[in-house]
Amino acid sequence: GAVVSQHPSRVICKSGTSVKIECRSLDFQATTMFWYRQFPKQSLMLMATSNEGSKATYEQGVEKDKFLINHASLTLSTLTVTSAHPEDSSFYICSASGQVGGYTFGSGTRLTVV
Amino acid sequence: GENVEQHPSTLSVQEGDSAVIKCTYSDSASNYFPWYKQELGKRPQLIIDIRSNVGEKKDQRIAVTLNKTAKHFSLHITETQPEDSAVYFCAASKDYGNNRLAFGKGNQVVVIP
Repeated sequence: GAVVSQHPSRVICKSGTSVKIECRSLDFQATTMFWYRQFPKQSLMLMATSNEGSKATYEQGVEKDKFLINHASLTLSTLTVTSAHPEDSSFYICSASGQVGGYTFGSGTRLTVV
Repeated sequence: GENVEQHPSTLSVQEGDSAVIKCTYSDSASNYFPWYKQELGKRPQLIIDIRSNVGEKKDQRIAVTLNKTAKHFSLHITETQPEDSAVYFCAASKDYGNNRLAFGKGNQVVVIP
């Protein structure tokens, strides 16, 4: 079946630094990548949608200059949290769709900003 | 955009009983309705889904029903077991993939042995 590999699984960074999260589709081409953020005991909130080779579309209230998304190839998308602050601490998870459809989730990244 | 409401927020059932979770959606253009089970710190796991041309779908102890007129769909778990304890999310999208997937707020199901 379709597999999306997400790294790192956990990361702790200092306030003010940047963190990059990668999602790779291992056995299919991800035409669309979705990035979600999930706070404890809450739902998955869509942050942005990206298509390969295009600029990402951000949801209302999500700062595009703070959460940089790159989808330069059909198998790799990255989310960079710039100038991270403690309130950015959350569970970040990607989801990829290919030409046959469906939504394949990565394993998630637990970000802690100290 | 699509707005998905999920009720109740918490559900406790005795082992062996049935559990039902209901969701409503707002966008009549939505055609794909998946249900996910999520354990703490892990990715959502697709347990069943339904598309708008079907009213009901069943997979062993799990079933989903869809009422497009009323814009609601429900998850039914029969003969609940302790391992069914988890958070369940409903979601809705315009199509199976490559479209914005909106999630409900989630439902904590607790199966009491």
